[in-house]
Amino acid sequence: NAGVTQTPKFRVLKTGQSMTLLCAQDMNHEYMYWYRQDPGMGLRLIHYSVGEGTTAKGEVPDGYNVSRLKKQNFLLGLESAAPSQTSVYFCASNYADEEGTEAFFGQGTRLTVV
Amino acid sequence: AQKVTQAQTEISVVEKEDVTLDCVYETRDTTYYLFWYKQPPSGELVFLIRRNSFDEQNEISGRYSWNFQKSTSSFNFTITASQVVDSAVYFCALSVRGGADGLTFGKGTHLIIQP
Repeated sequence: NAGVTQTPKFRVLKTGQSMTLLCAQDMNHEYMYWYRQDPGMGLRLIHYSVGEGTTAKGEVPDGYNVSRLKKQNFLLGLESAAPSQTSVYFCASNYADEEGTEAFFGQGTRLTVV
Repeated sequence: AQKVTQAQTEISVVEKEDVTLDCVYETRDTTYYLFWYKQPPSGELVFLIRRNSFDEQNEISGRYSWNFQKSTSSFNFTITASQVVDSAVYFCALSVRGGADGLTFGKGTHLIIQP
C-alpha cells in the first residue's frame, strides 16, 4: 500500500526559483491538504481541496498555488521561492464523510531556500 | 476559528515513569473531532487516536490512554510506563465539518524519555 506519496523528499532552491511539489494518493480520498511545519509552530494548513477541480486557501496561503486536476494528485507550486518558505511540507488526504476520519500523511518534503 | 493549545513545549522523564501530555482546544462548532499524532525522529506523522465530540468515554490502548473532558475543553494523553521508543513530538489536532477544512494543530510537545 503506497498511501500518500510526496515527490521530491528533499530540495534546495535559490531565492526566486520556482518548483512544484507533487502529492499522490491511491486511497480514492476526496480531501487533500498541504501543510508546512516550522520549528515550534506545529503544522499549518497552506491550501486544501475537497474534490477534483477544487481548491481553497488555508491559514498560510501566500506565496503558494495549488492545483487538483486529477482526484489522486494535489500539486503545490512555489512561483518565486523565498527563504521564508524554507520548511518541511506535508501532504495529507482523507475520506469525505461526516465522521471526521483521520488524515493520512505523506513522508514530507524538506525544502531549503537559500 | 479553531485553536489548539499544547502548553508543554518539552517534557523529559526517565524511562518507566508515567507522563501526561496536555491538550486544550477551542471551537464554536458543536460537532468536532480530536486527534493525536506522533512524529518520531524519522519525521513521519503517525495517527494515534480520533475522538468525536459526542463520545466522552476515555480510551485505553496498551500503555496509552486518553482523557476527553468537554467541560474543560481538554483531550489529554497519558503514557504509562514510558519507554525510550516513545520519544517523539506529539501533536494534538482538531477538525470540524468532517475534516473538510483540514486539521488545526497544536504546536506539539517534544517528549524525551531518558534511559
